[in-house]
Amino acid sequence: AQSVTQLDSQVPVFEEAPVELRCNYSSSVSVYLFWYVQYPNQGLQLLLKYLSGSTLVKGINGFEAEFNKSQTSFHLRKPSVHISDTAEYFCAVSDEGNAGNMLTFGGGTRLMVKP
Amino acid sequence: GAVVSQHPSWVICKSGTSVKIECRSLDFQATTMFWYRQFPKQSLMLMATSNEGSKATYEQGVEKDKFLINHASLTLSTLTVTSAHPEDSSFYICSARDRAGNQPQHFGDGTRLSIL
Repeated sequence: AQSVTQLDSQVPVFEEAPVELRCNYSSSVSVYLFWYVQYPNQGLQLLLKYLSGSTLVKGINGFEAEFNKSQTSFHLRKPSVHISDTAEYFCAVSDEGNAGNMLTFGGGTRLMVKP
Repeated sequence: GAVVSQHPSWVICKSGTSVKIECRSLDFQATTMFWYRQFPKQSLMLMATSNEGSKATYEQGVEKDKFLINHASLTLSTLTVTSAHPEDSSFYICSARDRAGNQPQHFGDGTRLSIL
């Protein structure tokens, strides 16, 4: 069984400041890792994914994440946030070998960007 | 990119009504679709996995007779909430996986269901 833990339920940050949203996972098998963003009353939009290769993954909207296998982490970062980045962010994992497999989600982190 | 359309986006109905939610893959064939439920300020919980042409696989604790899933074609899956009650009010989100399964799931925009 897999599990995903997002350590912070809410992260307030001022505009143009850097931000890191933390994600740790546990799994008995190798995994693929994803970050999704959800705006109010909308579905999920894929920010970035780690399937293989470089552990530093760049995504849309200036976000990036780094896969750390030894620490079983996949933290999301952005060097300078905008008001428009205010949203809910979800980290998710699936079994390696099929990126379309069932996803297990973390509890989500609400990013609140203040002017 | 791949698009998943979910309809309706918002529905309000009386207790006891059955409500059907549609999930369509617009530009790819979705052999597998997933149905999630999301309560306010919470994460997504997988309800069931729907494979085209076969019965859905429900997660533990999800009532099969309450949440009927049909995946009759490669582009359409439906979730019917039968005899809905206020406790069924939630945000329901579908996602679809293409035939090869090589890319992440594509999500619909969700359906907000409010039962009065």
